[in-house]
Amino acid sequence: QVQLQQSGPGLVKPSQTLSLTCAISGDSVSGKSATWIWIRQSPSRGLEWLGRTYYRSKWYYDYAVSVKSRIIINPDTSKNQFSLQLDSVTPEDTAVYYCARGHYVSGAYKGMDVWGQGTTVTVSS
Amino acid sequence: SYVLTQPPSVSMAPGKTARITCGGNNIGSQSVHWYQQKPGQAPVLVIFYDSDRPSGIPERFSGSNSGNTATLTISRVGAGDEADYYCQVWDSSSDHWVFGGGTKLTVL
Repeated sequence: QVQLQQSGPGLVKPSQTLSLTCAISGDSVSGKSATWIWIRQSPSRGLEWLGRTYYRSKWYYDYAVSVKSRIIINPDTSKNQFSLQLDSVTPEDTAVYYCARGHYVSGAYKGMDVWGQGTTVTVSS
Repeated sequence: SYVLTQPPSVSMAPGKTARITCGGNNIGSQSVHWYQQKPGQAPVLVIFYDSDRPSGIPERFSGSNSGNTATLTISRVGAGDEADYYCQVWDSSSDHWVFGGGTKLTVL
């Protein structure tokens, strides 16, 4: 059974960097049947896809335009996890952050079938 | 970017059939995925590829997609189905996943 366990601080000061980690069990961050995704949710923005990373002979990265200049998603094969780094945060980045797996079987997409538990991040001084 | 439009709320009596719509320009040409989210919990995938159910999702949940509207249908609704439901598609013009604004299902 695949599980995702999130970790990271719940409070970040404005202008600083938000950093979260998503540890994977039951699958591999470099496996060819998955993409590894960060999503956030706030009352003002709803569910917002932030970006993804995946391995298909090499690493790929896609980021949402809204955060593209400030975001890095990094896989860590040694720890079988991936992380989110969001720079220069403002109170508008206050949200619940989720990691998730996008699952593929024989090349066909099967949805975001596993989610982390969510981390409430508040940006405040 | 691609916009998905959902009604903010749908109410239904227990045992009846609830239908939640997701509107988008020519959405019928895309694959739509649906998620259920209960308060304080992460979303759960209930439908992928318009109408396929992941293992463990009851047959009461079904989906369809045609023209400018995709629909999630929940038959014989019960109190356990009260949740927010979100549709999702891949916007190939921007290489982004896009979510609808969500629909709150209330079982009267």
